[in-house]
Amino acid sequence: SAVISQKPSRDICQRGTSLTIQCQVDSQVTMMFWYRQQPGQSLTLIATANQGSEATYESGFVIDKFPISRPNLTFSTLTVSNMSPEDSSIYLCSVRTGRGNTIYFGEGSWLTVV
Amino acid sequence: GIQVEQSPPDLILQEGANSTLRCNFSDSVNNLQWFHQNPWGQLINLFYIPSGTKQNGRLSATTVATERYSLLYISSSQTTDSGVYFCAALEGSNYKLTFGKGTLLTVNP
Repeated sequence: SAVISQKPSRDICQRGTSLTIQCQVDSQVTMMFWYRQQPGQSLTLIATANQGSEATYESGFVIDKFPISRPNLTFSTLTVSNMSPEDSSIYLCSVRTGRGNTIYFGEGSWLTVV
Repeated sequence: GIQVEQSPPDLILQEGANSTLRCNFSDSVNNLQWFHQNPWGQLINLFYIPSGTKQNGRLSATTVATERYSLLYISSSQTTDSGVYFCAALEGSNYKLTFGKGTLLTVNP
């Protein structure tokens, strides 16, 4: 398995500001992903974070709104830009370790935009 | 892409009861996982089960890949089992998980 730490775990943000979420894994992983879970909803994939290159975004998500970095095999960041109340969600980092198909998730970052 | 449907959407049990949660998926999958999301939002891996049957304590899961469904069994439920149970399917080689909408389980004392 993998131990995945996310920061912040929870934050209240002002409308129009940006916040960066960090994801740190305790081992090198082949693939990292960012998901969003809006209140009362299921999880939706935002993007795949690619090491050393631009992230691959899913339909409905764009780089200007959700810039992602992945400088190495153990770390990634997701920025939620120019936030509005609709961005209030849990943002989750997930990884595939390369030793099978199991996907693991971090504890999530709860963002509330006021 | 693949579609994942879960039933029932909500389930209320008395402590000690048994339950079965179902997950149907629309196409063949490389991976099928069950998760439990606790009240703090954390997703906990329960099973990685693309086919066959696995058991872990009071929980067990069965996936019949040829018929495109998976079942999660909870026996002798406890209040700590409350939360949302998600199944998620992974298709192809891109390792993107598609989640169902979840089953909200409430276990009353």
